[in-house]
Amino acid sequence: DAKTTQPNSMESNEEEPVHLPCNHSTISGTDYIHWYRQLPSQGPEYVIHGLTSNVNNRMASLAIAEDRKSSTLILHRATLRDAAVYYCILRPYSGAGSYQLTFGKGTKLSVIP
Amino acid sequence: DTGVSQDPRHKITKRGQNVTFRCDPISEHNRLYWYRQTLGQGPEFLTYFQNEAQLEKSRLLSDRFSAERPKGSFSTLEIQRTEQGDSAMYLCASSLYATSSADTQYFGPGTRLTVL
Repeated sequence: DAKTTQPNSMESNEEEPVHLPCNHSTISGTDYIHWYRQLPSQGPEYVIHGLTSNVNNRMASLAIAEDRKSSTLILHRATLRDAAVYYCILRPYSGAGSYQLTFGKGTKLSVIP
Repeated sequence: DTGVSQDPRHKITKRGQNVTFRCDPISEHNRLYWYRQTLGQGPEFLTYFQNEAQLEKSRLLSDRFSAERPKGSFSTLEIQRTEQGDSAMYLCASSLYATSSADTQYFGPGTRLTVL
């Protein structure tokens, strides 16, 4: 499986934007970039995914580098509820097998009031 | 609530006992996954079902572990002769798989197992 690299931890002030980076230099052309997050004492939660173009949804934005070797999850205004571990995961296009999510250690985001 | 549910939420058992966990996926989701998560680590894949068929098992799933999904609805994960190393959070996820989909997985709250 292609590997991702994320910082172990990051801090943000409440109501400020947060940019969570992820490097995936060995990404293949059929890999989607998925982001999940895990709040304390909960199961992981889907955040966003993309293939080549930048993506927006109600939770976050995903900015994908032109060469696809890195991506950034953007939380536009961090709240205390956004404090969680954020996982960047590469996942092959669903028609290509290997359906499980391979989690790394993720980035632990702390939000300071 | 229409999300993934898991039962029990917590289980404490003595080494050598058998335990069984249940997962109820989101209605009409055809895929169901089991993961295990130990403290400070990300979840690790154990196995998954498409409808009632178990299609893939991780090397982490030793002979003491068995999972079923009768009738393609709820699933059970049984651990026989538990060991202290089995202490972990067991997570269930479901998805509605279709070709060309991202197969987004929706997770339950997990069952925390403590083996004494």
